[in-house]
Amino acid sequence: DTGVSQDPRHKITKRGQNVTFRCDPISEHNRLYWYRQTLGQGPEFLTYFQNEAQLEKSRLLSDRFSAERPKGSFSTLEIQRTEQGDSAMYLCASSLAGFYEQYFGPGTRLTVT
Amino acid sequence: AQSVTQPDIHITVSEGASLELRCNYSYGATPYLFWYVQSPGQGLQLLLKYFSGDTLVQGIKGFEAEFKRSQSSFNLRKPSVHWSDAAEYFCAVGGYTGTASKLTFGTGTRLQVTL
Repeated sequence: DTGVSQDPRHKITKRGQNVTFRCDPISEHNRLYWYRQTLGQGPEFLTYFQNEAQLEKSRLLSDRFSAERPKGSFSTLEIQRTEQGDSAMYLCASSLAGFYEQYFGPGTRLTVT
Repeated sequence: AQSVTQPDIHITVSEGASLELRCNYSYGATPYLFWYVQSPGQGLQLLLKYFSGDTLVQGIKGFEAEFKRSQSSFNLRKPSVHWSDAAEYFCAVGGYTGTASKLTFGTGTRLQVTL
């Protein structure tokens, strides 16, 4: 399977805990995106990497959020000191530079209790 | 700033009936437009895309969409809906902002199909 994969698919955590999600893009794709989707809404852009460089961050990405793509392949999204408002589906997508269509993974559903 | 409006939150159609989902966008230049479909608890699957050229684009699963610049619209259509089409549909606009080709999504239209 050469699609985008995300791990874990579901995460339940208590308020104040740290969580980390992983995304593996389609192997030849050099652009990687993170989005957040809350109930009843469309996905909202969080951040974007081209290779290992993080080129843009949304204002939605507070200082409790950090994303990395250390070797230009997989990426991690960490949320520190989780809050109930962080409960959402976190989606990862990838694309080839020069191509605008993005291919999405299955998402990680985070529930903060 | 780019934005997308999907005026219909929920649509119900009978199996075999035709379907049209509305999408209006706002973007300062030539937009790149997409329709995605999302089944419950799943990620998004790309149905079709418009970049330039022919304003009627064909996608997967028998869907098509028509770009109308004068109306800032990109409506999704299907001549005959199948029960398996029940899902959430998202319209998105993208464009090159200098560094990112991020997508801006509408709030989605939930499609229910009755047998």
